[in-house]
Amino acid sequence: QKEVEQDPGPLSVPEGAIVSLNCTYSNSAFQYFMWYRQYSRKGPELLMYTYSSGNKEDGRFTAQVDKSSKYISLFIRDSQPSDSATYLCAMSSGGSYIPTFGRGTSLIVHP
Amino acid sequence: SQTIHQWPATLVQPVGSPLSLECTVEGTSNPNLYWYRQAAGRGLQLLFYSVGIGQISSEVPQNLSASRPQDRQFILSSKKLLLSDSGFYLCAWSGGGRETQYFGPGTRLLVL
Repeated sequence: QKEVEQDPGPLSVPEGAIVSLNCTYSNSAFQYFMWYRQYSRKGPELLMYTYSSGNKEDGRFTAQVDKSSKYISLFIRDSQPSDSATYLCAMSSGGSYIPTFGRGTSLIVHP
Repeated sequence: SQTIHQWPATLVQPVGSPLSLECTVEGTSNPNLYWYRQAAGRGLQLLFYSVGIGQISSEVPQNLSASRPQDRQFILSSKKLLLSDSGFYLCAWSGGGRETQYFGPGTRLLVL
């Protein structure tokens, strides 16, 4: 079992849909959770950063962490074609300097 | 604000040739620095990381090496490239006690 599991997709949705992207993990020591967005042929860009459990909202994006289920989610409201990208989750236990990344989910938002 | 630079953006090299990719960070001091490789359809593979000048840790034994000659400079090298070295190379930094990493624009390497 990999430490972080993420469905590669692609996930195809119509413009305006609510998108749910998810990762599961096995290491209960993970405390820091991140979501990155990566456009084709570009470096990943940090979208959301959360510590421990709970929700965090930033504009159309909401990150949710459920440590009891070892499950994290990224919700995108009112999705736009410009949201089409690969979304990578990442997590770490703190003090290790090195997060563990999921393989990424490819999202396609069609007009 | 902090900025991370990588060059070149694209590189086509023959098998057996040497390689030098450079990464520099501006706007921060004593960052942790990382080199990743991302193959098509695959995740990020950590190659090297450094917590200080001259301190390099290798995650995967391979044809590559890394050096950190200055606080905010990280170099990825090879003496003889293999076909399997082709990929998208990303440099990243972290610091300030936070776990988040910030990535550069990447270098696309094609070995022929």
